[in-house]
Amino acid sequence: GAVVSQHPSWVICKSGTSVKIECRSLDFQATTMFWYRQFPKQSLMLMATSNEGSKATYEQGVEKDKFLINHASLTLSTLTVTSAHPEDSSFYICSAHRDRPTGELFFGEGSRLTVL
Amino acid sequence: AQSVTQLDSQVPVFEEAPVELRCNYSSSVSVYLFWYVQYPNQGLQLLLKYLSGSTLVKGINGFEAEFNKSQTSFHLRKPSVHISDTAEYFCAVSDRGGAQKLVFGQGTRLTINP
Repeated sequence: GAVVSQHPSWVICKSGTSVKIECRSLDFQATTMFWYRQFPKQSLMLMATSNEGSKATYEQGVEKDKFLINHASLTLSTLTVTSAHPEDSSFYICSAHRDRPTGELFFGEGSRLTVL
Repeated sequence: AQSVTQLDSQVPVFEEAPVELRCNYSSSVSVYLFWYVQYPNQGLQLLLKYLSGSTLVKGINGFEAEFNKSQTSFHLRKPSVHISDTAEYFCAVSDRGGAQKLVFGQGTRLTINP
């Protein structure tokens, strides 16, 4: 099956620093990727839709300047958490939409961010 | 806009017993329906999906789900569970256009006891 890889799997950073998380579709091209956030024992909340070559579409309540999304190629989207604070600590999951041969969504393994 | 309600936050069952995880959805348009499984500290794995056609959908690991349009439900079932089925299960819905922008339910924690 198609593979979506996230890196890093785990990251610990100090408050005030920025952290970049990568989401790669390894064996297919994805014009659309999604970024989700998951708090402990809760569901996934969609943060933004990332479209290759254009600006991301953010969900209501998600700070665009806080969570920078770049989708510079058909196989890579990045999420940068800027000036991270402890309340940004969470599990971030990406998904990539494969258009062909059938439209289907594949999820990355997730990235756990801990801000001290 | 769509919404998904998973009626049970936790479901404990004994090994080899049957299980049903309930999911109801709300939408003003036709939708696709999905069930995903999440093991600890991992991403999501697709169990099964309903796009069209037969309302009974069979998925991986012996799971199946039935789409009931009149009751707006998509309950997940397995006739005999195994310890390895212990995980979090998410029901999700998307509209029928584009790239499957998913809306997830709150999740159901399935715990299998020996």
